[in-house]
Amino acid sequence: AQSVTQLGSHVSVSEGALVLLRCNYSSSVPPYLFWYVQYPNQGLQLLLKYTSAATLVKGINGFEAEFKKSETSFHLTKPSAHMSDAAEYFCAVSVIGNQFYFGTGTSLTVIP
Amino acid sequence: DAGITQSPRHKVTETGTPVTLRCHQTENHRYMYWYRQDPGHGLRLIHYSYGVKDTDKGEVSDGYSVSRSKTEDFLLTLESATSSQTSVYFCAISEPQMGEDSGSTDTQYFGPGTRLTVL
Repeated sequence: AQSVTQLGSHVSVSEGALVLLRCNYSSSVPPYLFWYVQYPNQGLQLLLKYTSAATLVKGINGFEAEFKKSETSFHLTKPSAHMSDAAEYFCAVSVIGNQFYFGTGTSLTVIP
Repeated sequence: DAGITQSPRHKVTETGTPVTLRCHQTENHRYMYWYRQDPGHGLRLIHYSYGVKDTDKGEVSDGYSVSRSKTEDFLLTLESATSSQTSVYFCAISEPQMGEDSGSTDTQYFGPGTRLTVL
């Protein structure tokens, strides 16, 4: 069975500080991994995805994530937080069959 | 942005009434999905479709039915709405792309959501 765990339902960082959002996955087969962002009253927007081509994946808005098989992790980072990064972030895993399994989300607050 | 619209965007209804939500896409993608989003649960798959008239159940399908008579439209019906179905509903679409190891690398693109309140 596939599953995703996002550690920390709420994360607060100061503007300009490092953003680190954690995601661990469980999968019986090599997974494909995704990070999505959701701004208030909007749908989910793809930030980045891992599809086995490279373990370090760069996405939009300065975000990146590193796939670590030994740790079954796919943590999302950004070197310097902006106020506009305040949103909810979802990690998702996909295996053969086109079904996604989402984490419960992490709400990011950026403090001025 | 992917061409996905959902209607209505907001709906308030009463327990026991039927409700139909519509998802419309202009991307000609084969796969379409319905999710519900609830605090503390993330997104959970209700039903999905892999082609016209081809649908399957997801994780939380009880109380919901779907239909897809055209590639561009995917309907979600609550036959008799209950308060536990108060939620935000999202439609998503994807087009299969095979990865290096023959696994699916589909990216799902999401609509703007429908907020449903069942009183």
